[in-house]
This record gives sequence, C-alpha cells and structure tokens, in this order.
Amino acid sequence: EAGVTQFPSHSVIEKGQTVTLRCDPISGHDNLYWYRRVMGKEIKFLLHFVKESKQDESGMPNNRFLAERTGGTYSTLKVQPAELEDSGVYFCASSQDIGDPDTGELFFGEGSRLTVL
Amino acid sequence: AQSVSQHNHHVILSEAASLELGCNYSYGGTVNLFWYVQYPGQHLQLLLKYFSGDPLVKGIKGFEAEFIKSKFSFNLRKPSVQWSDTAEYFCAVTLSGGYQKVTFGIGTKLQVIP
Repeated sequence: EAGVTQFPSHSVIEKGQTVTLRCDPISGHDNLYWYRRVMGKEIKFLLHFVKESKQDESGMPNNRFLAERTGGTYSTLKVQPAELEDSGVYFCASSQDIGDPDTGELFFGEGSRLTVL
Repeated sequence: AQSVSQHNHHVILSEAASLELGCNYSYGGTVNLFWYVQYPGQHLQLLLKYFSGDPLVKGIKGFEAEFIKSKFSFNLRKPSVQWSDTAEYFCAVTLSGGYQKVTFGIGTKLQVIP
C-alpha cells in the first residue's frame, strides 16, 4: 500500500514568487492535514480536510496561503506571494479516522522543504 | 486552545541507559494522546497511542507511556535505550471524537551514544 506522498521534496524560491505543494494521501483516507515546522519550533497545524471540505483552517497564517482538495483526493497548498517567514518543512498527513481507537493514527509524508530567499 | 509541552528539547544518553521524556498537555477535556518518532531521514511515524482504558500503554520497540490524568501528563519511557533509538520524539494530543486536529509538542531530540 502506498503511503502519503508529497511533492516537491525541496523547493527554493525567491520572495514574492509562488509555490504549490502537493500531497497525495493514502487511498481511502477521508482526513487530510497540513502541518508546518519551522526550524526549532513545533509542528504547527495549518488545516484539516474531511474529503473535499475544510473542517478546520484555523492554523492558516494568512490569505497568502490557499489549500484545496478538489474531489477529495489529493491536496495542494499554494503560497502566493511567498515571504521569508514561510520557509520551513510542510508536512501532509492523512488518517482514516483519528477518533477511532483502532485506526486513530496520522500517516505522514516525508515533507516538502520550502526555502524562501 | 489545547497545547502540548515537551520539557526536554535535547537529550543525550549512553546505550543501556533508561529514558523518560516528559509531555504535558493543557486541555482539561477528554483527550487522545500520541507519541510520534522521526528517525533520521525518515518520515514521522506512530510510536504509541492512548485512547482509554489502561493508562500504561506499550508501543513499538520497547517504548511505553503512562497517562496520568491528574497531572495532564503522558511521559514516554524506555528501560534501556539503543543507538538505533536516536531520533526526534513528538508528543501529540487530540480531543476525543472524530474530525479533530492533532496538536504537537516542540519535539525532543534524543541522541544515544554507543
């Protein structure tokens, strides 16, 4: 079974440019999460999709960030225009049902490292 | 808002030493608790989890954690660490029920010296 895949693994862009990160969750997982980790800080929640709907987007920093999950399959996270403080590792995770004792678990991708110069 | 505190940010141990990593959360409702691990060059993966029942839970690779509700704690332990345990460890919490976000702590880097 394929795991969570993220693309690109590393992106280097200049301030003001646009970057789009992609996440393919595990097939059949309705729940998809985006997290970001800035060096030395915690893994910070950005948003949570249930199928194609945004369940919780309370962690999105500002309106330069746009996440979509059309059709409830893969998701994209676009940063436009990118700023220096957007640098970090963006993790995607999927879950069948985080509230289920038997299946409650996040499956993570390897992350997309974004460097904004 | 729920939050997770990990007090040890960097721990260095010799092989065979015992390990205890502290984790406290700030939410007073019913929670589910997790420890995740990230080995060098690998993705985050689940080490163990607590939902209900026996507050002492056992995970993979000999790790265990104890949920103490009165202390809002979920400390991770291992009696004897190995060099292969070198990794970063994250405590996480979610509210009970479906469709909840998972909140992570800052992480603890463990370095085990052979």
